[in-house]
Amino acid sequence: AQSVTQPDIHITVSEGASLELRCNYSYGATPYLFWYVQSPGQGLQLLLKYFSGDTLVQGIKGFEAEFKRSQSSFNLRKPSVHWSDAAEYFCAVGVNTGFQKLVFGTGTRLLVSP
Amino acid sequence: GAVVSQHPSRVICKSGTSVKIECRSLDFQATTMFWYRQFPKQSLMLMATSNEGSKATYEQGVEKDKFLINHASLTLSTLTVTSAHPEDSSFYICSAGKSSARGDSPLHFGNGTRLTVT
Repeated sequence: AQSVTQPDIHITVSEGASLELRCNYSYGATPYLFWYVQSPGQGLQLLLKYFSGDTLVQGIKGFEAEFKRSQSSFNLRKPSVHWSDAAEYFCAVGVNTGFQKLVFGTGTRLLVSP
Repeated sequence: GAVVSQHPSRVICKSGTSVKIECRSLDFQATTMFWYRQFPKQSLMLMATSNEGSKATYEQGVEKDKFLINHASLTLSTLTVTSAHPEDSSFYICSAGKSSARGDSPLHFGNGTRLTVT
C-alpha cells in the first residue's frame, strides 16, 4: 500500500532564509505526487504536482519540488521564505484510477521567525 | 480556476442529532468527490469516495451507517453525520476533481467544516 512520510513535524525558518521540506513516499508504480498548503481552519491549496517529465517542478508562490526516484523523495523548496508562508504543508501521493485518490503525509508545520 | 464550496464552515450540534455538510463544485462537473476527516494537528484521513449516481465507497474502519454520503448530482455531494457524538467532533474536508484517462486532474479542496458536538 502507498504511504507518505514527512519526517519533520515542525520547522522554524527565519524570514528570507531558504526552506526545504522533506517528503518520502512508498508506492509500487510511478507516483503522482503533490504538495498542498493549509492555513489554519482552511482547506488545502495545491502548490504543485508531479506526474511525469521534468523531475523539477515549479509551483505557485515561488515553491518548487524535485522528484528523485532513487530516493523515493519529493522535497519541497523555496529560496526565500516570507512570513506569509507560515502554514501546514502536506505531501501526498495519488493513486491513478482515473482521478486522484490521495494519501497524505502527516504534515509539516512551518513557522517563520522575523 | 476550479472552485469547491463547502457549507457550513462551522456547525455546533447537540449529541444525538444529525448534521449535513454540503460540498459543491462550482464551475465543473465532478463525477467523484472525496470526503476527508482531519483531527487536530493531524493529517487528512480519507473517509469515503463519493460517486455520482451510485453508492459511496468507504474506507476501512469508517461506519457507513453513521456517515451517510449522497452524490445526487454532478455538482453536489453531501455528508450526513447521524446521531452525532462528541467523538465525531472534527474538521471535515471535501475535494472534487474531474475524471480523466490519465488520472492527472488535480483535486480541489473545499475550505472544510468544523463540527463540534456538545
